[in-house]
Amino acid sequence: EAEVAQSPRYKITEKSQAVAFWCDPISGHATLYWYRQILGQGPELLVQFQDESVVDDSQLPKDRFSAERLKGVDSTLKIQPAELGDSAMYLCASSLVAGAGDTQYFGPGTRLTVL
Amino acid sequence: GENVEQHPSTLSVQEGDSAVIKCTYSDSASNYFPWYKQELGKRPQLIIDIRSNVGEKKDQRIAVTLNKTAKHFSLHITETQPEDSAVYFCAALESGTASKLTFGTGTRLQVTL
Repeated sequence: EAEVAQSPRYKITEKSQAVAFWCDPISGHATLYWYRQILGQGPELLVQFQDESVVDDSQLPKDRFSAERLKGVDSTLKIQPAELGDSAMYLCASSLVAGAGDTQYFGPGTRLTVL
Repeated sequence: GENVEQHPSTLSVQEGDSAVIKCTYSDSASNYFPWYKQELGKRPQLIIDIRSNVGEKKDQRIAVTLNKTAKHFSLHITETQPEDSAVYFCAALESGTASKLTFGTGTRLQVTL
């Protein structure tokens, strides 16, 4: 069964450093999502792509976060500079289409710790 | 935007008993409500979902009910087993968006022997 892939699985960095996370969605999935999950809370959407275009980045802290999906396949989420409050699990998800109620499949996540 | 509240935050049941988790949502136009199970250190996985044109849906030991008038939906797990122990999240699809899910804060279910 195809799954969403993410790397790295764990990342420890010092504040003010730059970090990058990578996501490879399920083949053929046009829609890709990046979520942030703080310990003890539900996932919160940061950015949504439809193919290579951003359709929602209203919750993305654009002063330090950036995301791209240049060829409409895999995606990279970057944080520069990282802050202590960025420590969280970063989850990538994908769905076949951006339709009402299309199932979102999650990757294993990248756990970020900022020291 | 949509706001989803989930209760309880923790739930402990004995093996074989039933477990019920409840969620409320704020946007009456929301029309899709999935439930995800997240085991420790693993990815969230969809276990069941319901759309607003249906009041109840069942899949083996798992069922979800939806009350559109009251804007709440519930997850029911019967004959619980130790492998049901996990964190469960409800979510609602925000109206006016293509596929933006708003998640609840999660319920940690512990099934004891």
